[in-house]
Amino acid sequence: SQTIHQWPATLVQPVGSPLSLECTVEGTSNPNLYWYRQAAGRGLQLLFYSVGIGQISSEVPQNLSASRPQDRQFILSSKKLLLSDSGFYLCAWSLTVTSSYNSPLHFGNGTRLTVT
Amino acid sequence: QKEVEQNSGPLSVPEGAIASLNCTYSDRGSQSFFWYRQYSGKSPELIMSIYSNGDKEDGRFTAQLNKASQYVSLLIRDSQPSDSATYLCAVNNAGGTSYGKLTFGQGTILTVHP
Repeated sequence: SQTIHQWPATLVQPVGSPLSLECTVEGTSNPNLYWYRQAAGRGLQLLFYSVGIGQISSEVPQNLSASRPQDRQFILSSKKLLLSDSGFYLCAWSLTVTSSYNSPLHFGNGTRLTVT
Repeated sequence: QKEVEQNSGPLSVPEGAIASLNCTYSDRGSQSFFWYRQYSGKSPELIMSIYSNGDKEDGRFTAQLNKASQYVSLLIRDSQPSDSATYLCAVNNAGGTSYGKLTFGQGTILTVHP
């Protein structure tokens, strides 16, 4: 069965500090990978998605970036955090889409980031 | 206009009752629909998926889809206090190149009281 690991679970960082969140998936090959953010009291916002190694698509302009150095590894980074970067960051995976009947997303446990 | 809309609630139902959660979407070409449950402080958990018009039942959960009305709902029978959570409706972006990207509604808070 497939599992997704995301760490750390919680993080408190000062404004202007760098960020690195990591996510790995086990039990499947060539998954689609996603980073979502959920701000307090708000819905899920798609930040990045990847359909393969080195392939990253950005959904919203921001000071965050993503990388996929290995098939089942997805990293979210920032060089300098802003207060507005606080939120609940969720990594997710899905099967590679082969038709328009998309497979669902499966989420990791999330990282709660507080920028102070 | 929001692409996926849900009543934010809170929806309060007594234990044992049927909870009805509703969702509308704007993209008529959408073909995949999902319901997620999110407990406070936790990540969303998939509970139902539906792709065709009509009803789909799984245990105490029934998802209903009406593409003509662009409406999807979730019924929870025999509601339990453990069902208290935020329920997220998610819809795929239309087209074969959507890469599984889902658009989520804001979620409906459900409270089941004993």
